[in-house]
Amino acid sequence: TQLLEQSPQFLSIQEGENLTVYCNSSSVFSSLQWYRQEPGEGPVLLVTVVTGGEVKKLKRLTFQFGDARKDSSLHITAAQPGDTGLYLCAGAPGNQFYFGTGTSLTVIP
Amino acid sequence: NAGVTQTPKFRVLKTGQSMTLLCAQDMNHEYMYWYRQDPGMGLRLIHYSVGEGTTAKGEVPDGYNVSRLKKQNFLLGLESAAPSQTSVYFCASRHEGRLNTGELFFGEGSRLTVL
Repeated sequence: TQLLEQSPQFLSIQEGENLTVYCNSSSVFSSLQWYRQEPGEGPVLLVTVVTGGEVKKLKRLTFQFGDARKDSSLHITAAQPGDTGLYLCAGAPGNQFYFGTGTSLTVIP
Repeated sequence: NAGVTQTPKFRVLKTGQSMTLLCAQDMNHEYMYWYRQDPGMGLRLIHYSVGEGTTAKGEVPDGYNVSRLKKQNFLLGLESAAPSQTSVYFCASRHEGRLNTGELFFGEGSRLTVL
């Protein structure tokens, strides 16, 4: 069992649709991060959330940190083919840095 | 700007052979990590280091050893490779950051196949 569980694991949607990806844990985190990974490359940071209940917006992407700091969500509005990729949440209980199981998103033109 | 560099990028081994993956970063980061990525499993932490001369185990350390003799380098070794170690390996580094907010910077990955 991994420390951070993501759902759904796979998501295939039409261009223009909205979607939400979830990241859940039984542990409390001081902060959580979201990364995006494209094929053949390493993950790249999208956002860091620090405060329980915090909401951050990055253009069409909205990130939320749960009040209890155990979960987070990523909402994409009007998805575009360029949003296709693997989305990973990550957190560090202590010095270790764990990643979630990942959500593979495909946006069909 | 080199950032994080991994070598080699591809390698094919036979069962029982040994090899070392090298990770080098030029950002003066304290923390360095080795992950493996398998389909449907996200990234799993193998070993990590919080500074020169220190190493610690992650989620899946069995079958791997690491060393951090210099701050900029983090080596991952496989003493006796097994087919279960076929994977894509990623190295990452970061500053500590307040509340563990430091961004992870990744290398491009090393694809290892064990026959």
